Amino acid sequence: GENVEQHPSTLSVQEGDSAVIKCTYSDSASNYFPWYKQELGKRPQLIIDIRSNVGEKKDQRIAVTLNKTAKHFSLHITETQPEDSAVYFCAAHRGSTLGRLYFGRGTQLTVWP
Amino acid sequence: NAGVTQTPKFRILKIGQSMTLQCTQDMNHNYMYWYRQDPGMGLKLIYYSVGAGITDKGEVPNGYNVSRSTTEDFPLRLELAAPSQTSVYFCASSYKQGGQPQHFGDGTRLSIL
Repeated sequence: GENVEQHPSTLSVQEGDSAVIKCTYSDSASNYFPWYKQELGKRPQLIIDIRSNVGEKKDQRIAVTLNKTAKHFSLHITETQPEDSAVYFCAAHRGSTLGRLYFGRGTQLTVWP
Repeated sequence: NAGVTQTPKFRILKIGQSMTLQCTQDMNHNYMYWYRQDPGMGLKLIYYSVGAGITDKGEVPNGYNVSRSTTEDFPLRLELAAPSQTSVYFCASSYKQGGQPQHFGDGTRLSIL
C-alpha cells in the first residue's frame, strides 16, 4: 500500500518565523493530500488540502506545495503564532482505495512567544 | 449539523471485558472509518465502510469488529479487551470516493487495566 513519511517529528520556532513540514509518498497514483491539525486532547481538523492537478494552494498564513515528480508535498506556515502550536499530520489518498487516507506520523510544532 | 458524534468520551475496562464504541454522523456521508491513535503516534486505520452493509479491514483490525446497518451509524466492538488496545479511538466520515476531507469525532479515550 501507500507509505507516507513525514519530517521533522518535532519543530520549534520563534513567534513570527516560518515553519515548514515535509511529507513524501510512495504511490504515484495518490491524488489528494490533506493536512490536519490536532491540538492536545482534541480531534484532528482539516486545515488545508491539495489535489494532484494543482502545484500550490494558499489560505491566509498557510500554504501547501506539491511536487508530483518527486512525490513530496509540504506545509508552510508563515508568521507563526503560539496558537499554531499543535501536532500536524499529512495524509495521502490513493485513488483506488475508496477514500482511504494514509497518514504520516505527525509533527509536533511548538511556537515560542 | 452535529457532525460526527462518538460515545463514550472516556472508558476504563478490565482485561477480557467487551464493549462497543458508538459513532454516528448526520452529514449523510457514505464513507466511515475507525482509527486508533497511540500516544505520540499517528492514526492507524482499524476498519472502514463505504456504505450500509459494506465493511472492510484496515491496517490493524485484529481484536475488533464493526457493523454498518445504517448510513448514520458505525459502531466498533471490542470482544475481549487487552492492554494493547489502550488508545484513543477516532471515528471519521467523508462524503464520497475521490479524495474528500474526512471529518473526525472528538474521540473515545479507552484504558484497559
